Amino acid sequence: DAGVTQSPTHLIKTRGQQVTLRCSPKSGHDTVSWYQQALGQGPQFIFQYYEEEERQRGNFPDRFSGHQFPNYSSELNVNALLLGDSALYLCASSLFATVDYEQYFGPGTRLTVT
Amino acid sequence: GDSVTQMEGPVTLSEEAFLTINCTYTATGYPSLFWYVQYPGEGLQLLLKATKADDKGSNKGFEATYRKETTSFHLEKGSVQVSDSAVYFCALRRVGTNAGKSTFGDGTTLTVKP
Repeated sequence: DAGVTQSPTHLIKTRGQQVTLRCSPKSGHDTVSWYQQALGQGPQFIFQYYEEEERQRGNFPDRFSGHQFPNYSSELNVNALLLGDSALYLCASSLFATVDYEQYFGPGTRLTVT
Repeated sequence: GDSVTQMEGPVTLSEEAFLTINCTYTATGYPSLFWYVQYPGEGLQLLLKATKADDKGSNKGFEATYRKETTSFHLEKGSVQVSDSAVYFCALRRVGTNAGKSTFGDGTTLTVKP
């Protein structure tokens, strides 16, 4: 049973560029959440997708957008990259329609903006 | 809004020492509480959880008790090992469908020396 997978593992981009990160949820899960983890800090919630719609959003600008596909996989897009966007981006999957669901995290994508 | 405060690190212990990492939270209602562990270069792994007041979560010798009166969820282990060296995150999440985001503390780095 594959867990949450993310690609790529590492990425280096230049300021102003755009980036797309990908996530495949754990088998049986239908909900994907994205988090940004800056160095030395805890993960910060970006947004959550369920049924191909954004359901909740954290305090991130519109440069951060996402998408969920019919197979439940998801993409995180960041436009006009800033140096401050350098971080580990974590994807977490879960099952939406449960009272107390558990989130499973992927290994993350390390984004470096130069 | 919701928030989680962890004791500042780093924490350095000798093997077989007793571990306590303090965690307090601010949230309305009755959130679920979690401890995650992150090894170097990896994503988050759920260590233990508690979903209601006075619940004790436990796993791999680690324990934490949900104390609503003190809004705390301190992590303890009676005898740490070198392999326990990692970053530990306390987190909360509201229960119920569409619960969405997890709120994390900033993490506590534990180093165990032989």
